Amino acid sequence: EAGVAQSPRYKIIEKRQSVAFWCNPISGHATLYWYQQILGQGPKLLIQFQNNGVVDDSQLPKDRFSAERLKGVDSTLKIQPAKLEDSAVYLCASSSGGAGGVEQYFGPGTRLTVT
Amino acid sequence: AQSVTQLDSQVPVFEEAPVELRCNYSSSVSVYLFWYVQYPNQGLQLLLKYLSGSTLVKGINGFEAEFNKSQTSFHLRKPSVHISDTAEYFCAVSDWQGAQKLVFGQGTRLTINP
Repeated sequence: EAGVAQSPRYKIIEKRQSVAFWCNPISGHATLYWYQQILGQGPKLLIQFQNNGVVDDSQLPKDRFSAERLKGVDSTLKIQPAKLEDSAVYLCASSSGGAGGVEQYFGPGTRLTVT
Repeated sequence: AQSVTQLDSQVPVFEEAPVELRCNYSSSVSVYLFWYVQYPNQGLQLLLKYLSGSTLVKGINGFEAEFNKSQTSFHLRKPSVHISDTAEYFCAVSDWQGAQKLVFGQGTRLTINP
């Protein structure tokens, strides 16, 4: 079974530029998550999708971050414009959803550096 | 809302020695508890989880954790560590209801010295 795929793995941009990250979850997984992991901290949930719909985006900075999940499969996270404090690893995870306590499977992440 | 505190940011141990990584959580509702491991330049991998039942949970790679409701703790242990256990370890909680999102601690870096 293929794992969660993310691209690119690394990205360096200047502040005020825009950037997009792509995630392909495990086949059949209904729930998809985007996390932000700042150096030295644990991951923080940005947004959670259940199929096409948003379940939780309470911690997504909506003035600059946006995310979509077309057709309930792949997802894209965009930042526009980027700030220095957006430098972090962006992790995508997926799960089969359903009952509580289900395991989330993580991709390798995209390391973003904003200069 | 839930929160997680990992009491040690770094834990150095010698190879074949036992180790305990400490985790305390705060929640007004019942929770599920998890330990994830992150190897360098990789995503997170589930080590073990507590959902219900026996408070002693066994996971992969010889790790185990014990849920203590009265002390709101979920400490991770391994009786004998190996060089390959060098990684960052994250404790996380999710509630029983709602979106069941994971709330992570800040992580503990485990360094194994030969």
